[in-house]
Amino acid sequence: AQKVTQAQTEISVVEKEDVTLDCVYETRDTTYYLFWYKQPPSGELVFLIRRNSFDEQNEISGRYSWNFQKSTSSFNFTITASQVVDSAVYFCALSEGVWGTDKLIFGTGTRLQVFP
Amino acid sequence: EPEVTQTPSHQVTQMGQEVILRCVPISNHLYFYWYRQILGQKVEFLVSFYNNEISEKSEIFDDQFSVERPDGSNFTLKIRSTKLEDSAMYFCASKIRGLQETQYFGPGTRLLVL
Repeated sequence: AQKVTQAQTEISVVEKEDVTLDCVYETRDTTYYLFWYKQPPSGELVFLIRRNSFDEQNEISGRYSWNFQKSTSSFNFTITASQVVDSAVYFCALSEGVWGTDKLIFGTGTRLQVFP
Repeated sequence: EPEVTQTPSHQVTQMGQEVILRCVPISNHLYFYWYRQILGQKVEFLVSFYNNEISEKSEIFDDQFSVERPDGSNFTLKIRSTKLEDSAMYFCASKIRGLQETQYFGPGTRLLVL
């Protein structure tokens, strides 16, 4: 069965701290895709990154970085030098390839609060 | 940059009324989706639509729900007889093609059923 677990319900940090949001997934497919979306207080869902199951290279985009490890079924997201504007709910999501369909299965989200 | 748009942004309705939520996907996208998010909860898949038919629907998407692409640009979600538990944020999403592509979401419609 497909499942995404974000065990951290809420994280609070002070500006400039680094923070890592955890994501653990379950899937029976060998081909799958992992995503992170950001939901700011205004409510929209903003795409951050997509990773496919064959690409385990870590990725860095500015202050954001992602660590994909198939051995532990994890796709963690780190924000370096956090800013108040990073305050949002962050969702990890999974879509499957060969056996499943391309619907997104979301985790329950992690609410990040960055205080000045 | 092209984006998915949704109207209305907010809708309040009485229980038992019909509502239609509208979405305009990104123009060259071929796959369309509806998701919902009950307040404070995770985002849940409702239905996917491709080539003018439903590709997949969840158990939430019962006979009260329907989707339509009435013309080349709009994609609608109809709830025939709303219930209190239909109160949620409804997101439309679209993607250009295939499994490996990204779904882009609209800003959502917040539906409140009284």
